[in-house]
Amino acid sequence: NAGVTQTPKFRILKIGQSMTLQCTQDMNHNYMYWYRQDPGMGLKLIYYSVGAGITDKGEVPNGYNVSRSTTEDFPLRLELAAPSQTSVYFCASSYSTGGTGGEKLFFGSGTQLSVL
Amino acid sequence: GQQLNQSPQSMFIQEGEDVSMNCTSSSIFNTWLWYKQEPGEGPVLLIALYKAGELTSNGRLTAQFGITRKDSFLNISASIPSDVGIYFCAGQSNYQLIWGAGTKLIIKP
Repeated sequence: NAGVTQTPKFRILKIGQSMTLQCTQDMNHNYMYWYRQDPGMGLKLIYYSVGAGITDKGEVPNGYNVSRSTTEDFPLRLELAAPSQTSVYFCASSYSTGGTGGEKLFFGSGTQLSVL
Repeated sequence: GQQLNQSPQSMFIQEGEDVSMNCTSSSIFNTWLWYKQEPGEGPVLLIALYKAGELTSNGRLTAQFGITRKDSFLNISASIPSDVGIYFCAGQSNYQLIWGAGTKLIIKP
């Protein structure tokens, strides 16, 4: 089973560039999430989706956009990259019902992004 | 907002030692979760706790849901080299999942 697949694994951006982080899952989960992880910090929720066509902001949404056109895919878009967006980004999915707290999350292996 | 205090921040232990770590909060949670993250990978769920006072084991790992619903503990018995990584606690309340900052486990050579 592939589970949650994220691409790319690593990326370096210049300030002001844009890019899309790809995420796809093959578990038919309704819930999908984007987190960022900064050194020594816990995971911060950027955006989440409870199903195709439905997205909502998490704790730190500024500077990011998402879309959910299919159950499988949940891309994260950075429009004008800034150094503060240097982080490791994780996509996750879950099958649990109810809000943002689907507790059994399945994570991708992450995208390490540097903005210089 | 809600916060979780996870301690210790890091641990240096000898192979074979027992390990204890905990998470505390000023808020009540309905569910406590423990995840492990290995280098270059995303976190993986180890144990989920759903009831105050609950004690659950997964091999050498044992976790407890505190009776006040404001804390949780994870113990690892007889540590082995593959236990290295970062252990995260997470609490769920009102459909929000709040994460601790992690405990980094390092095994002394």
